[in-house]
Amino acid sequence: QKEVEQNSGPLSVPEGAIASLNCTYSDRGSQSFFWYRQYSGKSPELIMSIYSNGDKEDGRFTAQLNKASQYVSLLIRDSQPSDSATYLCAVPNSGYALNFGKGTSLLVTP
Amino acid sequence: EAGVTQFPSHSVIEKGQTVTLRCDPISGHDNLYWYRRVMGKEIKFLLHFVKESKQDESGMPNNRFLAERTGGTYSTLKVQPAELEDSGVYFCASSPRTSGRASQETQYFGPGTRLLVL
Repeated sequence: QKEVEQNSGPLSVPEGAIASLNCTYSDRGSQSFFWYRQYSGKSPELIMSIYSNGDKEDGRFTAQLNKASQYVSLLIRDSQPSDSATYLCAVPNSGYALNFGKGTSLLVTP
Repeated sequence: EAGVTQFPSHSVIEKGQTVTLRCDPISGHDNLYWYRRVMGKEIKFLLHFVKESKQDESGMPNNRFLAERTGGTYSTLKVQPAELEDSGVYFCASSPRTSGRASQETQYFGPGTRLLVL
């Protein structure tokens, strides 16, 4: 069973701080990694994808991938209360199906 | 452009009844997926359509679940008869025709149907 693990949180950070969300995965052959954000009662929304080792930056978001350690993280700089949501790590299996972690709940306090 | 839509948004039924969920993917998307999130668990893959064909139904829990995508547009997921453990949020997602690596396809999710079986 291929697994994706996340700390469920809640992770609480003050406004303006850096939020760090972590994800580990069990399938060493995984090539693609996605971070989805889900507000309560809404659909998961893709915010970052990463395929190569290292960092990928998009605005206030940075995804970090370390395939040797089977570890992917998401950093949110200058966190805003509007960033409060559940963040889902997703890793495709050999085909199209996404394997999700349980998600980390982030709370940004004003 | 309209996103993925799902109907109904909520459904409350009794054990043994039948429920049909509908998903309308983004126009032009050949790939359509169904996922489910049971309370306290992660979102789990159910099945994948390419146009009207089932590409992968390895996640379907049992034969009480039937998915169709006639004409390759919208899809329905029928649960018959429903059991208590079927309660959860059913998500539909879609992605465009594959032009590159399957594992890099972005899947766009709908808001989900919240199913409660009493």
